[in-house]
Amino acid sequence: DIQMTQSPSSVSASVGDRVTITCRASQGISSWLAWYQQKPGKSPKLLISVASSLQSGVPSRFSGSGSGTDFTLTISSLQPEDFATYYCQQANSYPLTFGGGTKVEIK
Amino acid sequence: QVQLVESGGGVVQPGRSLRLSCAASGFTFSDYGMHWVRQAPDKGLEWVAVISYDGSYKDYADSVKGRFTISRDDSKNTLYLQMNSLRAEDTAMYYCAKAEEKYFPHWGQGTLVTVSS
Repeated sequence: DIQMTQSPSSVSASVGDRVTITCRASQGISSWLAWYQQKPGKSPKLLISVASSLQSGVPSRFSGSGSGTDFTLTISSLQPEDFATYYCQQANSYPLTFGGGTKVEIK
Repeated sequence: QVQLVESGGGVVQPGRSLRLSCAASGFTFSDYGMHWVRQAPDKGLEWVAVISYDGSYKDYADSVKGRFTISRDDSKNTLYLQMNSLRAEDTAMYYCAKAEEKYFPHWGQGTLVTVSS
């Protein structure tokens, strides 16, 4: 199984800050990676697929990069509605696996 | 618009069974693979099972293999998850999700399963 390791597990940031979350796969997954945002009590929301392809309606302050084993989600200027937990997910092979999550909290 | 509505959750004793349902609308259900994903309280996301668009392919997480069965009824636009021999560690919110490639652009609101004596 492919293990997905996210870091940090939590980050405190202020509105307007640039936030970077990393995700490392235990083996190469090409660009088969997604990022999700989840707010308390809500279902996850797909932000990015194929490592860097922004979903329709997702603000351009979100961006994804990487390939192989190392990936990054960047929020260029944090907004109040971005405080949430973020998960990466490998879409290379079954069983599909998620990272442990990164909670973005208000500083 | 795509809508996925899960049902069937509840409190169940260890060792018992439960069947979850997911009613789909807003898309041609028989054209898409479907998944179940779960989330234990205050924990991360765990993929549970997949069924292909035509039901010919199914796969499961090791943690549920041999106990859970995924199925679909295209005449009813409904996805199912039969859960047998339930354990305390199966306690979670269970989401159904519509697959596009192996990504999840659409999720239901979830149904909570609590396994407790």
